[in-house]
Amino acid sequence: KAGVTQTPRYLIKTRGQQVTLSCSPISGHRSVSWYQQTPGQGLQFLFEYFSETQRNKGNFPGRFSGRQFSNSRSEMNVSTLELGDSALYLCASSTGQGYSYEQYFGPGTRLTVT
Amino acid sequence: AQKITQTQPGMFVQEKEAVTLDCTYDTSDQSYGLFWYKQPSSGEMIFLIYQGSYDEQNATEGRYSLNFQKARKSANLVISASQLGDSAMYFCAMREITGGFKTIFGAGTRLFVKA
Repeated sequence: KAGVTQTPRYLIKTRGQQVTLSCSPISGHRSVSWYQQTPGQGLQFLFEYFSETQRNKGNFPGRFSGRQFSNSRSEMNVSTLELGDSALYLCASSTGQGYSYEQYFGPGTRLTVT
Repeated sequence: AQKITQTQPGMFVQEKEAVTLDCTYDTSDQSYGLFWYKQPSSGEMIFLIYQGSYDEQNATEGRYSLNFQKARKSANLVISASQLGDSAMYFCAMREITGGFKTIFGAGTRLFVKA
């Protein structure tokens, strides 16, 4: 079974631009979560989608948004990029949404904002 | 307040020896899950082991075991017979009902395995 895939793997953008990252979960997984990882803040939860509905959202500004499609694929969008948005963005999928479900992560998208 | 605390920023272990990575957590939920993930330098997070709050036995997965002490709110990862490939960042994480099941990660412990 194929793992979680994320595209693109690397991205360089300019401050003020917007960016869309894509995540394809493991087949059969209905839950997709997004995380931002930086050296200073560690792993921070962005949002979680389950069956096309956003079930949870972290403490990020409204510039960060996401969605999930009927095939469970997910996208996240960051508008008006800031230098501080430079990070590794990780997507994770799981079969369900409860507290016992382990998550499987993709390789991440490394975003650099200049 | 930190939900997940990993007090060891970095640790060294000799190849073939066992090592314990510490994790304490804070929750008022009765139902929660505890996880350990490994992140090699390549960046991809790898799921290692899971322990449910109602599990009475410590979880084990191959060379990994989770030393679960519920009263102390401790969930330490034990790696037996360390290998060079175990050198990586290790994250402890928790999912609880409060807050809608989002996964909270600790700051991580970087493990160095010496030959």
